[in-house]
This record gives sequence, structure tokens and C-alpha cells, in this order.
Amino acid sequence: AQTVTQSQPEMSVQEAETVTLSCTYDTSESNYYLFWYKQPPSRQMILVIRQEAYKQQNATENRFSVNFQKAAKSFSLKISDSQLGDTAMYFCAFMSLLNKLIFGTGTLLAVQP
Amino acid sequence: DTEVTQTPKHLVMGMTNKKSLKCEQHMGHRAMYWYKQKAKKPPELMFVYSYEKLSINESVPSRFSPECPNSSLLNLHLHALQPEDSALYLCASSQSGDSGGYTFGSGTRLTVV
Repeated sequence: AQTVTQSQPEMSVQEAETVTLSCTYDTSESNYYLFWYKQPPSRQMILVIRQEAYKQQNATENRFSVNFQKAAKSFSLKISDSQLGDTAMYFCAFMSLLNKLIFGTGTLLAVQP
Repeated sequence: DTEVTQTPKHLVMGMTNKKSLKCEQHMGHRAMYWYKQKAKKPPELMFVYSYEKLSINESVPSRFSPECPNSSLLNLHLHALQPEDSALYLCASSQSGDSGGYTFGSGTRLTVV
């Protein structure tokens, strides 16, 4: 069975600074997909960024980028130029070819003014 | 339309009541999902529908009964719930077999009294 681990329950960053959230996962599959979702107090889960395991190039979306290390089964999220609106719970998630999305335990990020 | 709409947003029900949660999407997605999320925890998968057929039931108690009347609509019927069933219930959809990730609704906050 696949598992996703986020070892940082809470993090804090100053506005305009950079922060990295960690995620590791365990799977025996060779092809899969990884995601970071953001859940602000409004409750809606919002897709931040996705990575296909067969692609070596790290995904980027504006201020968000990932460091994907397939051999180490690591998938960290870097947020540059942090903004107050980035304050949210961040979930790392794994999707197998069965299209089943499994979430990590989450990291609560607080951006301080 | 790129949204998943869930109604109601809040629901309070007694342990002997029968109620239903509704989820609707008009993105042409053929896979729909129910997740349960307790406070400060990750979402947990309950049910998966693919092409209007139930494909995954994660050993959910029978007091939760899903229904997919058509490709745009997903219901969750609730009966004889327990206080520990109080949670945020999230609906999501995706293109079946697509690795693009899920689109989530903003959830129904359920309280069982």
C-alpha cells in the first residue's frame, strides 16, 4: 500500500521569504503522480502543482516549485516570495494508476507579515 | 464551468434523521469521489464512482449510502449517523484515467447531534 508522510506539522515564514515543505512517500509502483494541494480556511482543496513520476524535470508554477527525487521518494514544495494568502494547510498527495488519491498528514503554513 | 458544487454547506442532523448531501459538476468528468475529513486531518477516501458505477468502497459503514444518478451528480445519503461521523465531507471529480488531479468542492460541514 502507498503511504505519504509529511514530517512538519506546522511551519512559519516571513512574508516575501522562501519556505520548503517536505514530503516523502512509499510505493512499489514505477509510474505514478504526485501533487501538492492547498486548503485555506475556506476549506476548498486547491491544486498547487503536479509532477509525473516518469518526468525528471521538476515542475514549476509561478512562485511554486518542487524538488522531486524519485530514488529517494521525496517530493518537497518550495514557495518563493511568500504571501499572506499562502497561509493554509498544505497536503502532499500520491496518485497511482488506479486514479486513487492518497493524502499525507498535512503541514500548516503560517505566513507572517 | 470549472467547479464542483456541494450543497448544503452546513448540516446539523440528529442520530435518527435521514439526510442527503449533493455534489454536482458540469466539466464532463466521468469519475467522482466522496472524502471525509476530520479537523486537522487529511481527507480520507470513502467512495469512488467511475462512469456512474461504484468502483471503490473503502469499507464505509452502511449508514452512508452513495448514489450516482447521472454523470454530473453524486449524492451521499445519510441515515442513523453517530456523533463521530461529524466531519467535513468533500466531493471531487476528475476525468477518468486522467492524471491531472481532482477538482474539489468546498465541502459540507456535517454535525451529528
